[in-house]
This record gives sequence, C-alpha cells and structure tokens, in this order.
Amino acid sequence: EAAVTQSPRNKVAVTGGKVTLSCNQTNNHNNMYWYRQDTGHGLRLIHYSYGAGSTEKGDIPDGYKASRPSQENFSLILELATPSQTSVYFCASGESGGENTLYFGAGTRLSVL
Amino acid sequence: AQSVTQPDARVTVSEGASLQLRCKYSYSGTPYLFWYVQYPRQGLQLLLKYYSGDPVVQGVNGFEAEFIKSNSSFHLRKASVHWSDSAVYFCAVSGRAGGNNKLTFGQGTVLSVIP
Repeated sequence: EAAVTQSPRNKVAVTGGKVTLSCNQTNNHNNMYWYRQDTGHGLRLIHYSYGAGSTEKGDIPDGYKASRPSQENFSLILELATPSQTSVYFCASGESGGENTLYFGAGTRLSVL
Repeated sequence: AQSVTQPDARVTVSEGASLQLRCKYSYSGTPYLFWYVQYPRQGLQLLLKYYSGDPVVQGVNGFEAEFIKSNSSFHLRKASVHWSDSAVYFCAVSGRAGGNNKLTFGQGTVLSVIP
C-alpha cells in the first residue's frame, strides 16, 4: 500500500532555532504537499512541489522553506522557529493529472518554546 | 479563490442515529470534492470523493455525500452511526484544470458519538 512517512513524530524546538521536518513517500507520486493543522483553521497549505527540484509557495509560506531533492523526499524547513509555528504538520503526496486524491502521513507535532 | 465552509465545529449524536455533516464550497465551475476523516493522532484518510456523474457518491463504512451544484453543497450523511465513527471530518475542494491543483480544506467538524 502507498505510504507517506514523516519524521520526527514529535519535536520540541527553541525560539530562533532551526527545525527540519522530513517526509518520504513510496507512492511514486510527482506532487507533494506540506500542511499545518490548527484548531479553527483546518489544514492550511504551506508549500508544495510538482517534482524533484521544484517547490511552490502555498497559502501561508511566510517563515517556511521547502526542499524537494528527490521524487521520494520533501522537507519543510523553519530557519528561525517562532512560538506561532507550534502546530501539527502534515505531509501528503498525490498524482499529477488525475483526480487529486491526496495520501497523508501521520503528522509531526511541533512545539516551539 | 476557492474556499470551503463547514459551519458546525462540533456535532454530537447518539449511536444508531442518523448523521449529516454540512459542507459548503466556493468555486467557479464544477470542482472535485472530497471528504476526509482523521482519527486521533493519525493523518487524514479519504472517505469519499466526487468527480463527475451521479451526484450521490458512496464511501467507506456506509458514508455517502451528495453534490448539489445549485446550492454549492456537499453534505456528508450516514444512516446509522457507530461509536467508532467519532473523529474529525474535513471537507475539501480542488479545481480540475491540469490536475495539478491544490486542495483547500474546511475547518473540520469534530464528531462525537455517544452510547
């Protein structure tokens, strides 16, 4: 079965520190996405990618960078973490073309103190 | 810009009762529509999707949804809920052009099923 794996599952970071969230997919999907989930906001799109080497800004990209070094891997980078970035982050993959079904990882719970 | 509104943040129903979770979307044209479910400490799982054809679509575990274009709605229904249906439910919309379109999610509805 298709799989999206996120690491770490939980992370505590200090304000001003650098945080990297990793995502690996074995679906061979071209598209990958990073969302954050906050109460009252649902899921909001941070960055996405159409393939290796590409990254695009989503709806709330400020304070985040993304990297897609390969088809399988997509990272989210917080260069200077702030408490407002405390959230649950989800990675997802999906086929290009087709019907836009996304497959999600289990999430990373990030606390910035 | 596309958007989704789920007007009910929380819904509580008794086990065995029927269920409707509301979803209204904004999109010019005919969109792709989805319902996802999130169980505690897990990622989202696809429950059902509408692409074209019959406006009533069936999903897993007895769930169904009806696409009503005139009302811009895609409400989720189940005839008889089980305690294991307790979860967070998200409605989502995406465009069709090119297939590489972002999903926009609603705020989610927390469903609690009581014995």
